[in-house]
Amino acid sequence: GAGVSQSPSNKVTEKGKDVELRCDPISGHTALYWYRQSLGQGLEFLIYFQGNSAPDKSGLPSDRFSAERTGGSVSTLTIQRTQQEDSAVYLCASSLAKGWGRTGELFFGEGSRLTVL
Amino acid sequence: EDKVVQSPLSLVVHEGDTVTLNCSYEVTNFRSLLWYKQEKKAPTFLFMLTSSGIEKKSGRLSSILDKKELFSILNITATQTGDSAVYLCAAADRGSTLGRLYFGRGTQLTVWP
Repeated sequence: GAGVSQSPSNKVTEKGKDVELRCDPISGHTALYWYRQSLGQGLEFLIYFQGNSAPDKSGLPSDRFSAERTGGSVSTLTIQRTQQEDSAVYLCASSLAKGWGRTGELFFGEGSRLTVL
Repeated sequence: EDKVVQSPLSLVVHEGDTVTLNCSYEVTNFRSLLWYKQEKKAPTFLFMLTSSGIEKKSGRLSSILDKKELFSILNITATQTGDSAVYLCAAADRGSTLGRLYFGRGTQLTVWP
């Protein structure tokens, strides 16, 4: 597609339920990132995928969070046993290449707003 | 502890005013500082600054970095209502992947007609 596509745009769930958030990056972009933005906070790095390399999972806040990227394209962020503090906007971004040749040119999707009741 | 601090958190001005947004950072092995504009949902890239004292300009927007004092400013001249957005500052260190940017909380700019 023309841009990074995320779904659902809004998700309301009950505490304890599992949720899946999907990201479809720009075609040809090898790098994919997940960030989280809580109300009044900056963007918090969650996880980074680059090609076929092992992902950098160091930003995931707990073992309830996991992500996968199938076929080097679409990514799914899964949150198990959701808690109220998981409520946030989850932003996905993609980039053409690793390294600083294209520094800063992360293309963001419009995010998935998660509300945990 | 925040590595990137932006000020003010919010700013309300009238069209035609000039605004200055501030960003201070404390990142080990600093590499670059980036500015993003976030309208509604998806942040869009504005500038990347690596060298001190070199101003980058894009239309009415300009930005400069001071690596000695560890801060950057983003200036917007002759503001328009379309400039209303959250402006995010992010710092990257040399050890990070391209994606691991440390973001500030943003400055909410509102421009009234």
